Amino acid sequence: AQSVTQPDIHITVSEGASLELRCNYSYGATPYLFWYVQSPGQGLQLLLKYFSGDTLVQGIKGFEAEFKRSQSSFNLRKPSVHWSDAAEYFCAVGARGNTPLVFGKGTRLSVIA
Amino acid sequence: ETGVTQSPTHLIKTRGQQVTLRCSSQSGHNTVSWYQQALGQGPQFIFQYYREEENGRGNFPPRFSGLQFPNYSSELNVNALELDDSALYLCASSSKSGAGRAVTGANVLTFGAGSRLTVL
Repeated sequence: AQSVTQPDIHITVSEGASLELRCNYSYGATPYLFWYVQSPGQGLQLLLKYFSGDTLVQGIKGFEAEFKRSQSSFNLRKPSVHWSDAAEYFCAVGARGNTPLVFGKGTRLSVIA
Repeated sequence: ETGVTQSPTHLIKTRGQQVTLRCSSQSGHNTVSWYQQALGQGPQFIFQYYREEENGRGNFPPRFSGLQFPNYSSELNVNALELDDSALYLCASSSKSGAGRAVTGANVLTFGAGSRLTVL
């Protein structure tokens, strides 16, 4: 069965520091991978996606993620965090053909001054 | 282009009641998916609608049902509400191409802000 693991429930970083959020997946087929962000009381906003090709993908708001097939990982990174990045981050896996996405439980990011 | 809009934003029901949640898909999208997000959890897939038919269902009982209308908007209905149905219900729209259910294409979902349901 497909699954997504986000090992860190909560991460706190200082503003300006770098960030890496971990995501590991289990999926039988070639995965489509996504990162979404959810601010309090809001829906999910797509940060970036990986379907094929270059394993380093760039997203909005300065985020990037790297697909590592050998490690079944798709970690999200940002070189310098801003206070407005505080939110809940979800990794998700799917496949071509509009199959349903399977989400991880999320990582809550807090940013301190 | 307009995004995905959901209504109502918040509602409170009592156990055993029925609820209907509504969703207008993003312009140009023809597929609607519904997800349930319990507190502290990631979204879980309920079902998807394409061409006014259910096109995939997650592990949810039959008292969760839906509709899709010719304008691609959608409803989620939940009967006989239980306390555990308290959650944020997210609607997401996307675009499919192809014939029938043998479709291809990138499944990029655009989510609405959700309807928060509290069951007392």
